[in-house]
Amino acid sequence: DTEVTQTPKHLVMGMTNKKSLKCEQHMGHRAMYWYKQKAKKPPELMFVYSYEKLSINESVPSRFSPECPNSSLLNLHLHALQPEDSALYLCASSPYRGRGTGELFFGEGSRLTVL
Amino acid sequence: QQQVKQSPQSLIVQKGGISIINCAYENTAFDYFPWYQQFPGKGPALLIAIRPDVSEKKEGRFTISFNKSAKQFSLHIMDSQPGDSATYFCAASIIGSARQLTFGSGTQLTVLP
Repeated sequence: DTEVTQTPKHLVMGMTNKKSLKCEQHMGHRAMYWYKQKAKKPPELMFVYSYEKLSINESVPSRFSPECPNSSLLNLHLHALQPEDSALYLCASSPYRGRGTGELFFGEGSRLTVL
Repeated sequence: QQQVKQSPQSLIVQKGGISIINCAYENTAFDYFPWYQQFPGKGPALLIAIRPDVSEKKEGRFTISFNKSAKQFSLHIMDSQPGDSATYFCAASIIGSARQLTFGSGTQLTVLP
């Protein structure tokens, strides 16, 4: 079982809805990530949080809004999404002792469908 | 220069055979090369990883071969099993970079019973 827990597993929303994806890890990792994955494609980095501070935003549209309330939790707030935003959204975490190592631990993802 | 090129796109192997997936990179600053395994409906899981100071790393039936001069690395799955059927992603990263991983395009492996 993965130690990164994502909820919900499935989400269907209309283009005018506001929803949130949640991620939780209890491994003491201080770096957390959001990735987007389309079918048959590799994950694409969206955001990186290091020590609860946003360190990387890969030019993601503002309709996606990340939040890191504490070192164990990561949220992705969704508003006014487009059908092309339908994808698997993956949360990941990694140990961060001042240097990233590439050892990412992924959750099982939230499958988002935008109607 | 950040790309990691992966081949083949798909691979079909008989049970008990050897599966080989290849990756190539350009950025010589990369210093960590993991492989991720992803089953349908699941997130990627770290399978095995190698640093460029070694040429080979073996964990059970899985082996990474690394050729620093050619800037290539490969995953070998010995005695492939139907349970190995999944998508495999190679990746590369620069230790210390918050961006972490640059993924290859993925290989869908099917192991026939």
